Amino acid sequence: GAVVSQHPSWVICKSGTSVKIECRSLDFQATTMFWYRQFPKQSLMLMATSNEGSKATYEQGVEKDKFLINHASLTLSTLTVTSAHPEDSSFYICSASPHQEQFFGPGTRLTVL
Amino acid sequence: GENVEQHPSTLSVQEGDSAVIKCTYSDSASNYFPWYKQELGKRPQLIIDIRSNVGEKKDQRIAVTLNKTAKHFSLHITETQPEDSAVYFCAASIQAGKSTFGDGTTLTVKP
Repeated sequence: GAVVSQHPSWVICKSGTSVKIECRSLDFQATTMFWYRQFPKQSLMLMATSNEGSKATYEQGVEKDKFLINHASLTLSTLTVTSAHPEDSSFYICSASPHQEQFFGPGTRLTVL
Repeated sequence: GENVEQHPSTLSVQEGDSAVIKCTYSDSASNYFPWYKQELGKRPQLIIDIRSNVGEKKDQRIAVTLNKTAKHFSLHITETQPEDSAVYFCAASIQAGKSTFGDGTTLTVKP
């Protein structure tokens, strides 16, 4: 199957700082990638659709100015959590699909102190 | 938008028994229904999927059924083993890669 990588796998930051998470498709080109957030013991919630060369599409209730998404190439999308607060602590997972099957990155555990 | 409901939220079975998890969806345009197994702290792993033009699919001990008219689909695991213990998510998708997930089922298989 296709491979999606994510970096970093975990990050701890202070409240008020920004954190960047990278998502890469390693063996296929992805014009679209997806960012999900998963709080403990909850389901995956789609945050936004990252579109190569154009603006991301955000789901209702997700602040686009707080969660900045850049998809500058066919293999890389980045999610920047700006001015992070403890309530942003979560597991962030990206995905991409060369076909209909969805391939997930390994996830990034963000802890905001 | 799409809404996916999943039941039960927890399921405990004895090793060797069968486990059934059920999901319903709201958007009749959904055409792809994957099931994922997620272990703590890890990414979801696809275990089986079904497309809307198929009513049933089986892969060894795992099977999925789809009833498009009723908008529900189910996961069946037979001969459960302790290593099947995990959280299972159903999902529904219209656009490739963009899924709405159910709330998850924590399956515990007791040895």
